[in-house]
Amino acid sequence: GNSVTQMEGPVTLSEEAFLTINCTYTATGYPSLFWYVQYPGEGLQLLLKATKADDKGSNKGFEATYRKETTSFHLEKGSVQVSDSAVYFCALSFGNEKLTFGTGTRLTIIP
Amino acid sequence: ETGVTQTPRHLVMGMTNKKSLKCEQHLGHNAMYWYKQSAKKPLELMFVYNFKEQTENNSVPSRFSPECPNSSHLFLHLHTLQPEDSALYLCASSQDLKGLAGGNEQFFGPGTRLTVL
Repeated sequence: GNSVTQMEGPVTLSEEAFLTINCTYTATGYPSLFWYVQYPGEGLQLLLKATKADDKGSNKGFEATYRKETTSFHLEKGSVQVSDSAVYFCALSFGNEKLTFGTGTRLTIIP
Repeated sequence: ETGVTQTPRHLVMGMTNKKSLKCEQHLGHNAMYWYKQSAKKPLELMFVYNFKEQTENNSVPSRFSPECPNSSHLFLHLHTLQPEDSALYLCASSQDLKGLAGGNEQFFGPGTRLTVL
């Protein structure tokens, strides 16, 4: 079946540090890939997505590139802020089917 | 109100109680979902409804009973739960489950934090 593997958290960084959260997937075919973010006390929000190989999703300074060779969709940001502290979920889906989520990575940014 | 709302935000119940969780979406969507979020586990999809019809039940125990009276409202009725059912229950919605291109973007509510004593 389909699955998503994320790097284990928690991740703690200083403000303005470079962020990478790794995500790899296992699937038959080429799914759409997503990053969702969950801020404290809130539900999940779509952060960015990519629907085909080599696509780059970007939003709020975050980027992720769909790499079919390595079946990866790593999340990056050049300079993190305290307000980026949240839990980040990588997910995949095929067309209009259900989302398959990773376990989430908790990110804490310290001033 | 906009988006997806859930009530109550917090619920504490005993194992013999009956309670219900409510979800409402104001987005004009036709598909709605219940998820269970437990610590250190992937989000677990519980139920999917599309145009008020249940399309997926992910082997959820019968002590959880969903109800979808219309495309805007989704309930989760709870009865004789166990302490291990304590979790954050998230509701989500999406346009529908037919013919979408570009992946299934779901919109989530803030969740109900459930504690079973």
